[in-house]
Amino acid sequence: AQTVTQSQPEMSVQEAETVTLSCTYDTSESDYYLFWYKQPPSRQMILVIRQEAYKQQNATENRFSVNFQKAAKSFSLKISDSQLGDAAMYFCAYRHDYGGSQGNLIFGKGTKLSVKP
Amino acid sequence: NAGVTQTPKFRVLKTGQSMTLLCAQDMNHEYMYWYRQDPGMGLRLIHYSVGEGTTAKGEVPDGYNVSRLKKQNFLLGLESAAPSQTSVYFCASSVPGGRETQYFGPGTRLLVL
Repeated sequence: AQTVTQSQPEMSVQEAETVTLSCTYDTSESDYYLFWYKQPPSRQMILVIRQEAYKQQNATENRFSVNFQKAAKSFSLKISDSQLGDAAMYFCAYRHDYGGSQGNLIFGKGTKLSVKP
Repeated sequence: NAGVTQTPKFRVLKTGQSMTLLCAQDMNHEYMYWYRQDPGMGLRLIHYSVGEGTTAKGEVPDGYNVSRLKKQNFLLGLESAAPSQTSVYFCASSVPGGRETQYFGPGTRLLVL
């Protein structure tokens, strides 16, 4: 069974600094997708970024980027120029692609990010 | 375009009572999901549906039932609530496709006494 591990229950960053959140996953599959979701205090789950396993290039969305290491099964999220609004729970998630029939999302337990002014 | 909505936002139940949580989406999505979120546990899939009239079990289905009679609605039922079902429940929807994002509702906080 696939698993997703976020080893940092809590992280803290100074405003305008850079922080990296870690995520590792375990799978024997080769075709899959990886996601980072943000959950602010409002509880609304928001997609931050996604990565296709077949793409070697790391995904980037404005201040958010990932470091995808397929062989190491690692998928870290880097937040640059951190802002107060980045304070939230961040969840890493995995989904296997069965080639026409998608698997279900498997979530890590989350990392709570605090941003200090 | 309201996206995914959930009713109610908060509910208190006594052990043994039953209730239904309603999820509605206006994006014409085929797939719908129910998750529960517990402290330190992330989100865990309860049940899901890949189309009107179809449902399937997720990771933690025991104690819950679901129905998808209309494409836009996905109901989650608790027949006999237990304190272990105290949680925050999230509904989500998506189009088919592994890379497609799931759109989440705002959550329902349920407290079972």
